[in-house]
Amino acid sequence: ETGVTQSPTHLIKTRGQQVTLRCSSQSGHNTVSWYQQALGQGPQFIFQYYREEENGRGNFPPRFSGLQFPNYSSELNVNALELDDSALYLCASSLVATQETQYFGPGTRLLVL
Amino acid sequence: QQQVKQSPQSLIVQKGGIPIINCAYENTAFDYFPWYQQFPGKGPALLIAIRPDVSEKKEGRFTISFNKSAKQFSLHIMDSQPGDSATYFCAARSAGNQGGKLIFGQGTELSVKP
Repeated sequence: ETGVTQSPTHLIKTRGQQVTLRCSSQSGHNTVSWYQQALGQGPQFIFQYYREEENGRGNFPPRFSGLQFPNYSSELNVNALELDDSALYLCASSLVATQETQYFGPGTRLLVL
Repeated sequence: QQQVKQSPQSLIVQKGGIPIINCAYENTAFDYFPWYQQFPGKGPALLIAIRPDVSEKKEGRFTISFNKSAKQFSLHIMDSQPGDSATYFCAARSAGNQGGKLIFGQGTELSVKP
């Protein structure tokens, strides 16, 4: 059984650019959630994908968007990057949308200059 | 009402001590309360979790105490070791139409001195 993997591990972008982050869920898990973790803070829920559809969204603007693919992997896209988007982006997978246990990947560290 | 408040922000204990981290919430619709451990440069790892119909849960050296009427829960780490030095987050799951959304506390940075 493989764990949650994310790519890339680190990324540097400039303000106004667009970025795509990727996540492969744990084997057999069909639900992926994305979180943003600013330095020194707890993770904040961005959205969740279940069976390729958005299944809940946190308080993030529409320039944060996502996709889930038939193999349950997922992408997080952020357009028009702002300096405050600098954070660790975490992906978590769970067996089904309502399952409590979420398993987190190592994250992608994004720096916006 | 969707917040989870965690304290203290940081904690230093000697090896063998019992650090206690506290969390409080307002939303009575929360139905699942996990604790995560995070090391620098890593993603959070689930330590232990509890549901509101249970007042205490132990797994190894980790114990959650849950007080439903006070809307508070806490993590105790027995016989703490230097390897337990990490940041700990409490969380609560918001049931309903947002699937498995977890709301996290601000985190507690624990340092266990040898």
